[in-house]
Amino acid sequence: GNSVTQMEGPVTLSEEAFLTINCTYTATGYPSLFWYVQYPGEGLQLLLKATKADDKGSNKGFEATYRKETTSFHLEKGSVQVSDSAVYFCALSLNDYKLSFGAGTTVTVRA
Amino acid sequence: GAVVSQHPSWVICKSGTSVKIECRSLDFQATTMFWYRQFPKQSLMLMATSNEGSKATYEQGVEKDKFLINHASLTLSTLTVTSAHPEDSSFYICSVKRDRGRRVENSPLHFGNGTRLTVT
Repeated sequence: GNSVTQMEGPVTLSEEAFLTINCTYTATGYPSLFWYVQYPGEGLQLLLKATKADDKGSNKGFEATYRKETTSFHLEKGSVQVSDSAVYFCALSLNDYKLSFGAGTTVTVRA
Repeated sequence: GAVVSQHPSWVICKSGTSVKIECRSLDFQATTMFWYRQFPKQSLMLMATSNEGSKATYEQGVEKDKFLINHASLTLSTLTVTSAHPEDSSFYICSVKRDRGRRVENSPLHFGNGTRLTVT
């Protein structure tokens, strides 16, 4: 079946620190990969996506590269801000709009 | 602003009662909506796919008679947890797939803010 495993949190960082959240997946087929973010009090929002191997998704300073050889899609940001405090979810889809999510990683950035 | 409204945001009910959760698209039509559930420290798990005008499609292990889904219009899907028990306490979230239109967007999926259900 399809599954996503992501780094357990919570993660607490200082402003301007480097953030990495690991995500690996298993899938029957060739999935699209996503990172969703949920800010406090809001719904899930798509942060970035990649639809095929070696694609790099990027948005708001975040990046993730679709690595087929390691079945990974790690999220990175070089310099985090307090406003990046949120819950981050890695997810995959086999293009049927049904998403398989990781457990979510809570990130708190301190000023 | 928000394009999907999910209501209520939280609810507490007694065992044996039923609870209805609404998911509404605010400015677009959606033939398809999805319902997810998240237990503490676990992934969001897809429960069912809601299709306007037809029966919902449930994922394996999800009881159809317990989690009733109605998608009677192109902007509204409801999830009713019938005869709720404490083990049904969870976070329920809907995802709405915007029907194809002229608008170009990164993803046609939009999420509600979720509903925290506590059954006492």
